[in-house]
Amino acid sequence: EVQLVESGGGVVQPGGSLRLSCAASGFTFSAYGMHWVRQAPGKGLVWVSRIRSDGRSTTNYADSVKGRFTISRDNAKNTVYLQMNSLGAEDTGVYYCTRDLYDTAIDHWGQGILVTVSS
Amino acid sequence: QSALTQPASVSGSPGQSITISCTGTSSDVGGYNFVSWYQQHPGKAPKLMIYDVSNRPSGVPDRFSGSKSGNTASLTISGLQAEDEADFYCSSYTSSSTWVFGGGTKVTVL
Repeated sequence: EVQLVESGGGVVQPGGSLRLSCAASGFTFSAYGMHWVRQAPGKGLVWVSRIRSDGRSTTNYADSVKGRFTISRDNAKNTVYLQMNSLGAEDTGVYYCTRDLYDTAIDHWGQGILVTVSS
Repeated sequence: QSALTQPASVSGSPGQSITISCTGTSSDVGGYNFVSWYQQHPGKAPKLMIYDVSNRPSGVPDRFSGSKSGNTASLTISGLQAEDEADFYCSSYTSSSTWVFGGGTKVTVL
């Protein structure tokens, strides 16, 4: 069974940093791309970032986080990370760790982790 | 990276069919057959319902079907059931090698 378990969320002050982790199990982690998707309270889904499973771990970012967020992976630990810097109130929300399907969709979602940016 | 356009709400009676539209541009929906649909019940993580415009993952009832014409994709739910009441989101791959979601549609079963 595919499992994605996020950790590292919490309350952070504006301008601060946070690193989310996602521990994956139940599949060959190194063979799959991984995405982060977020959802502000009461709002819709917003794609954040993707890291591929290719040898270069190619990354892509939404314009709203480019230059502030960094996605990375450790295949030895079956873990994907999201380093978030210069956080603002607009970054508040539930962050979902997700698994890529054929580079075209997302087929598995974690339970989500709440990030709150507030003073 | 503007969000794809979905109606805010769609409703139908049990047994009826409803269709949710998802409009983008030639840089996303219209340019690729990489449209997917997700169902989200309150307080739960989303679930993949359709990928690559019209493919259903294993376990998704065949009451759910997808299609696309030009820059607009559609999700049809046939034989609407009470458990189908949820929020639905479309998503598309884009020419910038990113993904974009729609604003979401709340489906109400009357």
